Formats: sequence, structure tokens, C-alpha cells
Amino acid sequence: RKEVEQDPGPFNVPEGATVAFNCTYSNSASQSFFWYRQDCRKEPKLLMSVYSSGNEDGRFTAQLNRASQYISLLIRDSKLSDSATYLCVVNPLTGGFKTIFGAGTRLFVKA
Amino acid sequence: DTGVSQNPRHKITKRGQNVTFRCDPISEHNRLYWYRQTLGQGPEFLTYFQNEAQLEKSRLLSDRFSAERPKGSFSTLEIQRTEQGDSAMYLCASSLASGTYEQYFGPGTRLTVT
Repeated sequence: RKEVEQDPGPFNVPEGATVAFNCTYSNSASQSFFWYRQDCRKEPKLLMSVYSSGNEDGRFTAQLNRASQYISLLIRDSKLSDSATYLCVVNPLTGGFKTIFGAGTRLFVKA
Repeated sequence: DTGVSQNPRHKITKRGQNVTFRCDPISEHNRLYWYRQTLGQGPEFLTYFQNEAQLEKSRLLSDRFSAERPKGSFSTLEIQRTEQGDSAMYLCASSLASGTYEQYFGPGTRLTVT
């Protein structure tokens, strides 16, 4: 089992749609969680950190479920510019900082 | 621009040659990370530094790979006797050593081994 697993997609959605991505992680001791977005042939860019209480940034909402060991990202009112790969990131603070990235979920938003 | 910078952006080399990449982190960040990314995969952790100390290395980092951060500022990643399987994007990131440890990435060095 991979340490961080994501549905690779692709997700094809029309503009204005709501789309949700899930990510599961295997290390129950993991302490910090993030979502990054990566455009084609570019570096990953931090989208948002994921807090235990959940957090929202504009059209983006992230949730953490420690009991089931998954995090989620919800994008509302999708824009064409949201088309990218979304990477789930898990950081087990205990024992070092071997940050683990998921393979990413591709999103295509179409007009 | 005060972000993470990497040089060169692209490198084409013949199998068996040595290559060296440089990363300049965000100036106030004392943690620096190296990753490797191949097509269709997320970045894979290679190693990280806190100041000049290399604190963790992945098993992916074979004996042909070495990284340094001599003065706790910029870092270099060297690959000796390159192999075709080393072709990838090499990404550098930096972060603070406190708070949420959010990492910020440089644009990467794309290595092609022919």
C-alpha cells in the first residue's frame, strides 16, 4: 500500500461545478497535511495547509479526518484556471521530515 | 524575486558524466529539501537540511548522489556517473523550521541523460 494515495483522475468538470478530491494516508502518526497544485511542467505551489478543524480559503475547503486517515479538498464554482494537478502532501513530524507526496489528481475544467 | 531559485533550469548530459545542480532557498528559511519528480508521479523526497546539517536521506539517494549545504544557505546536489534512469525533474524547496513547515518550491532543474 502506498503511503499517500490519491485518485489519479482525470476529473473533467464544466465551469461552475463543484468537485471534491480525497487522499488517504497510511501513517497514523502523520502530523501535518497540505494541498499543492501543479501546472504542467511547473513546480508545485502551496494551495493550502489542512488543519484538524478544517479550513476554507475562498472557493477551496480542506478537511482532515484523522480517524479514517484521509484528507479532502473541495473546489466550488470551478474556473478554467483551476485546471491543474492537485497533490496531497503528508508530513510525519515525528521521526523526521520525509515529506510524502501523492501522485496527484488531474483536474480539467471545461467551458 | 525572493523565491527559491535553481540553476541550471535544464541540463542534458551523456550517460556516465557527473552533473551538479544548485538551489538558493528563500533567505530566511533554514530548512532546504531536494526532491525528484518523474512524469505522472508526485515529487519523491531525496534529502533535507536544517541549516548546514543534512538530517535525513531517502533510500532513493544512492551512493552516486550527494548533497551539500556548506554554509547553511545555498545547496548543491551532485549526481556522479549519471544513468538514463536519473532523467527527471529535480526540485528544491525551503521552509522555516517552525510553524506549519510549509514548503516553497523552486522551478526545478530538468535533467535528461542520453
